[in-house]
Amino acid sequence: ILNVEQSPQSLHVQEGDSTNFTCSFPSSNFYALHWYRWETAKSPEALFVMTLNGDEKKKGRISATLNTKEGYSYLYIKGSQPEDSATYLCALPGNTPLVFGKGTRLSVIA
Amino acid sequence: SAVISQKPSRDICQRGTSLTIQCQVDSQVTMMFWYRQQPGQSLTLIATANQGSEATYESGFVIDKFPISRPNLTFSTLTVSNMSPEDSSIYLCSAATGTETYEQYFGPGTRLTVT
Repeated sequence: ILNVEQSPQSLHVQEGDSTNFTCSFPSSNFYALHWYRWETAKSPEALFVMTLNGDEKKKGRISATLNTKEGYSYLYIKGSQPEDSATYLCALPGNTPLVFGKGTRLSVIA
Repeated sequence: SAVISQKPSRDICQRGTSLTIQCQVDSQVTMMFWYRQQPGQSLTLIATANQGSEATYESGFVIDKFPISRPNLTFSTLTVSNMSPEDSSIYLCSAATGTETYEQYFGPGTRLTVT
C-alpha cells in the first residue's frame, strides 16, 4: 500500500507571511507527484504534476520542489493571502488512480 | 481537461436509507473513480467505475454497500446503501483522461450527513 504523508496537518499564518509544507512518499518506484488545492465546496484544483528529481515548478506565488531520491516534495507559498486558505493535497499514482495524503489545511488570517 | 459536476451537492439522510450521487463529465474520459473523505482522513478511493461492466472495488468497499453504474463515457452514479452515521463523508467523483501526462480531475463533491 502506497503511503503518502503530509505535514503539518494544519497551519495558521498571517497575511503576507510565507509558508511551506511537506509531502513524503516512498522513494522506490517513483513515477509522478501531484499537488492539488481544495477549497471548501469546490473541486480540488490541480496545481502541479512533478516527475523529475530536482524539479521546481511555479505558479504565481506558489512553487514546489521535488526530491525523488529522499522521497519528499515541498510546497511554498510566498506572501500568503486570505484567498490561499484551502487544503493542499499531495498525491501519487497507485496502480492508476491517485493515492492521497491527508492534506495540509492552511488558514491565512487577514 | 475535464469539468465534472455532481449532484446533489449535499444531503442529510436518515440511517437505513440510500442515496444515489450522480456525476457528469463534460467530455468523454477513459477512467472514472469514486473517492470519499471522512472527517480528518485522506481522500480514499472507493472504486473505479468501468463502462458497461461491474466496478472494481478497493479493499474494504463492497458492491452491496456502494453500487456503482457507468452506462457511458461521461456519466456515473454511486449509491450509498443502508446508510449509517459512519457513512457521513464527502464523496467525490473523479475522471482521468489517460493522456501522456496523467491528470486526474475532480467534481466539487457531495457532502453527506447521516443522522
